[in-house]
Amino acid sequence: EPEVTQTPSHQVTQMGQEVILRCVPISNHLYFYWYRQILGQKVEFLVSFYNNEISEKSEIFDDQFSVERPDGSNFTLKIRSTKLEDSAMYFCASQEGQGYNEQFFGPGTRLTVL
Amino acid sequence: KNEVEQSPQNLTAQEGEFITINCSYSVGISALHWLQQHPGGGIVSLFMLSSGKKKHGRLIATINIQEKHSSLHITASHPRDSAVYICAAFRIQGAQKLVFGQGTRLTINP
Repeated sequence: EPEVTQTPSHQVTQMGQEVILRCVPISNHLYFYWYRQILGQKVEFLVSFYNNEISEKSEIFDDQFSVERPDGSNFTLKIRSTKLEDSAMYFCASQEGQGYNEQFFGPGTRLTVL
Repeated sequence: KNEVEQSPQNLTAQEGEFITINCSYSVGISALHWLQQHPGGGIVSLFMLSSGKKKHGRLIATINIQEKHSSLHITASHPRDSAVYICAAFRIQGAQKLVFGQGTRLTINP
């Protein structure tokens, strides 16, 4: 069964460093999302992406964050200069088509900023 | 106030018991996801529904759009059902993003 994959599973970085989180969505899906979950808190929406551009972003998604789909298969989230408060689990999700269809989640990347 | 509220926050039950987790939302939604999050953190979609009822094995989900309420039921619960169960709503306005409840931590004891 097709699945969303994410790498790495765990990333440890120093404050101020850049990190890139990678996702491979399900191949025929067109809508892509990043969510994050700070330890002990609920999952929060970061950004949605369709047709090679951001369709919506939350207030969390400031200038330190960027997303791209560089090669038609990978979907990446870059944090330019990490802060301690960026420590969280980051989930990628993909969705097949327009409308309110089921979203499929990747296993997550646990980011720890020291 | 959270747009999506779940109750209870924590639930402990004995194996075999019938489980109900509730989800209420304050925004207009078009559909609602029930998700399962295991201790390792991964999220699995259980159901997506916009009306009525869906059943998959021992899991049943219902939604009442007019009352802005959904329930997830587990029949004949088993220790392997222990996880965090999350409801997440697609808002009518805006992109197709999900708004998440805070989750219900379910523990089933043998």
